[in-house]
Amino acid sequence: GAVVSQHPSWVICKSGTSVKIECRSLDFQATTMFWYRQFPKQSLMLMATSNEGSKATYEQGVEKDKFLINHASLTLSTLTVTSAHPEDSSFYICSARPPSGGYNEQFFGPGTRLTVL
Amino acid sequence: GENVEQHPSTLSVQEGDSAVIKCTYSDSASNYFPWYKQELGKRPQLIIDIRSNVGEKKDQRIAVTLNKTAKHFSLHITETQPEDSAVYFCAAFGGYQKVTFGTGTKLQVIP
Repeated sequence: GAVVSQHPSWVICKSGTSVKIECRSLDFQATTMFWYRQFPKQSLMLMATSNEGSKATYEQGVEKDKFLINHASLTLSTLTVTSAHPEDSSFYICSARPPSGGYNEQFFGPGTRLTVL
Repeated sequence: GENVEQHPSTLSVQEGDSAVIKCTYSDSASNYFPWYKQELGKRPQLIIDIRSNVGEKKDQRIAVTLNKTAKHFSLHITETQPEDSAVYFCAAFGGYQKVTFGTGTKLQVIP
């Protein structure tokens, strides 16, 4: 099956710093990537939909200036958490949808656990 | 927007018994309904899915049923095994690529 990687797998940072998370589709080109946030024992919440070459579409309540998304190529999307605070600590998961993917198929990355001190 | 409700939130079954998890959705335009299994600290893994033009799908011990009229779909796991223990999420895909996940069900299979 299709493989999606994320880097880093975990990161600890100080409050006020920025953190960049990369999402890569390794064996297919992804015109669309999705970014999710998952708090402990909770469901996945869609943060934004990222389309290659265009601006990301953010879900209601997600600050686009705080969570910067760049989908610069068909295999890479990045999420930058700017001026991170402890409440941003969460498990961030990306997924990628191949252009020929049936229906709304998507493949998930392994996730990045962010801890903000 | 879409609202997906999932029940129960926790489920304990004896090994070998069946487990059923149910989801309801609100947007009649939703047309794709996958189920994911997530083990602690790991990514969600697709285990089965169903499209809106199908009423039932089965893959070995796992089956999913869809009732479009009532807007609900269910996951059925038969002959449960300890390795089935995990959190299961349903999801509904609607228009404009939007996906909404259910709140999750923690399944515990007791040996």
